[in-house]
Amino acid sequence: DIVMTQTPLFSPVTLGQPASISCRSSHSLVLSNGNTHLTWLQQRPGQPPRLLIYDISKRFSGVPDRFSGSGAGTDFTLRISRLEAEDVGTYYCTHVTQFPYTFGQGTKLEIK
Amino acid sequence: QVQLQESGPGLVKPSETLSLTCALSGGSMNGYYWSWIRQPPGKGLEWIGCIYHTGSNYNPSLKSRVTMSLDTSKSQFSLELNSVTAADTAVYYCARVVPGTGPDYWGQGTLVTVSS
Repeated sequence: DIVMTQTPLFSPVTLGQPASISCRSSHSLVLSNGNTHLTWLQQRPGQPPRLLIYDISKRFSGVPDRFSGSGAGTDFTLRISRLEAEDVGTYYCTHVTQFPYTFGQGTKLEIK
Repeated sequence: QVQLQESGPGLVKPSETLSLTCALSGGSMNGYYWSWIRQPPGKGLEWIGCIYHTGSNYNPSLKSRVTMSLDTSKSQFSLELNSVTAADTAVYYCARVVPGTGPDYWGQGTLVTVSS
């Protein structure tokens, strides 16, 4: 199984300031066709997860452009350019490269 | 608009079988992986498995206890998890997974508690 490791696990951030979350996979997520199916999810308190970013850097429909993803191979980053109150929650990286799908432990973003 | 809704008992006794159904509205079942994902209280996400037209795939850690089924005529899919213990207490989510993209639509989740 591919192990997904996120850092930090907890991040207090000031409103209006940037936030960054890292995700590392135990194996390269690059497929033979060159695609890398790394996905980021957001889970607000009391809500189901929501798809934010797929294929490393593509924003899902309706996701604000303050969210961006980057990375390659085994190292990936989710960035929020300016934190808003509605961004509070837990963020998960996951892959849909091969079965079984696995998730990072989650990173909890809170307002400082 | 695609919507998913889980249904099933909220309380299951130890050693019995957990059974949940997910109803789809507003979309087709073709071409997707219909998945179950769970989240123990206060913890992270665990992928249970998925079912699609040509087969299924389960998390190896749960494979011996899991069965999923798909009923396209009713636009729904189901999960059975047998021999449950307290460790299976979790919010169970159903989700649509786009192959190569990820889980784009989720149900609201249903809490299943395993207790006598």
